[in-house]
Amino acid sequence: AQSVSQHNHHVILSEAASLELGCNYSYGGTVNLFWYVQYPGQHLQLLLKYFSGDPLVKGIKGFEAEFIKSKFSFNLRKPSVQWSDTAEYFCAVNAGYQKVTFGIGTKLQVIP
Amino acid sequence: DAGVIQSPRHEVTEMGQEVTLRCKPISGHDYLFWYRQTMMRGLELLIYFNNNVPIDDSGMPEDRFSAKMPNASFSTLKIQPSEPRDSAVYFCASSQGLAATYEQYFGPGTRLTVT
Repeated sequence: AQSVSQHNHHVILSEAASLELGCNYSYGGTVNLFWYVQYPGQHLQLLLKYFSGDPLVKGIKGFEAEFIKSKFSFNLRKPSVQWSDTAEYFCAVNAGYQKVTFGIGTKLQVIP
Repeated sequence: DAGVIQSPRHEVTEMGQEVTLRCKPISGHDYLFWYRQTMMRGLELLIYFNNNVPIDDSGMPEDRFSAKMPNASFSTLKIQPSEPRDSAVYFCASSQGLAATYEQYFGPGTRLTVT
């Protein structure tokens, strides 16, 4: 069965700091990987996804994630965060046509 | 399209009462998902439908939970009887397919509080 673990449950950064949120998955075969974001009071929306090709994926709002197959990882990065990036971030995985499994989420708080 | 619509947005009920959450998926989406979000367990998939048929309900916590999709534009999640530990935000999502190329679109959620 596929599973996802997010190591940091709560991250606090100052504006302009760099961000890296860890995500590891467990599944031996080909996977598709996602990052979703939930801004305060809003619903989840897709930030970026990987399903083939270049392992470095660029998403909206300056976010990117790198798929490292050997490490079963798909970490989310942003070189310089803004206060508006305060949100909860969810890593998710699915294998082929299986259901998507979400991680527990990481709350990011950016201090102005 | 208005996106995925959920009602009510907030529900406060007493333990033992029946609760019904409603969802209208995006038109043309063949898949509908019900998720529960809690602080302790994060976002959990409860059940999903394909073309109105329940495909996987392994995430439904217990028999008190039931979900139906009588037609392509409407689904309900029912809890009977409700308990305080059911307090959570319940999300409905829909997509055109299950493959990674198809994004899931989430509704605004229903915040359920059982006292």
